[in-house]
Amino acid sequence: AQTVTQSQPEMSVQEAETVTLSCTYDTSESDYYLFWYKQPPSRQMILVIRQEAYKQQNATENRFSVNFQKAAKSFSLKISDSQLGDAAMYFCAYYSGGGADGLTFGKGTHLIIQP
Amino acid sequence: NAGVTQTPKFQVLKTGQSMTLQCAQDMNHEYMSWYRQDPGMGLRLIHYSVGAGITDQGEVPNGYNVSRSTTEDFPLRLLSAAPSQTSVYFCASCYSPGQGKGYTFGSGTRLTVV
Repeated sequence: AQTVTQSQPEMSVQEAETVTLSCTYDTSESDYYLFWYKQPPSRQMILVIRQEAYKQQNATENRFSVNFQKAAKSFSLKISDSQLGDAAMYFCAYYSGGGADGLTFGKGTHLIIQP
Repeated sequence: NAGVTQTPKFQVLKTGQSMTLQCAQDMNHEYMSWYRQDPGMGLRLIHYSVGAGITDQGEVPNGYNVSRSTTEDFPLRLLSAAPSQTSVYFCASCYSPGQGKGYTFGSGTRLTVV
């Protein structure tokens, strides 16, 4: 079974600084997808960024970018110019069509933005 | 508004009671799934469906039933609620998990079993 590990239960960053959230995963599949979701206090799950495993280029969405290392099974999220609105729980998630057709989530990282 | 609608948003049950959590989407998505979120555990897959009439178990299916009679609806049934089922439940849907924006989530149902 696939597993997703987020080793940082909590991270803190100063406003306007850059922070990197870590995620590793375990899979025997070669074709899969990785996601970062944001969950603010409203508890709504919001997709931040996604990455297809077959693409070598790292995905970027405005201030959010990933460092995808397929051989190392690592998928970190970098948030540049951190803003107060970035404060939330961040979940790394995995999907492949070879298993259950749902997402496998990590346990999450609580991101605190210091003003 | 297009999206995933979950009802109710909050519910308190007594041990042994049954109830159904409703989930509806109006985006004509084939894929739908249910997750539970517990403190420190992330989200865990309960059941999923790849189309009307097709359902399967996820990681934590015990104590829950699902059915998918229409594309739009995917209700989750608790047959005999237990305190261990106290959690926040999310329903999600998508056209295809690996394409486009992936899964869209509902706003969740907070369930307390006393």
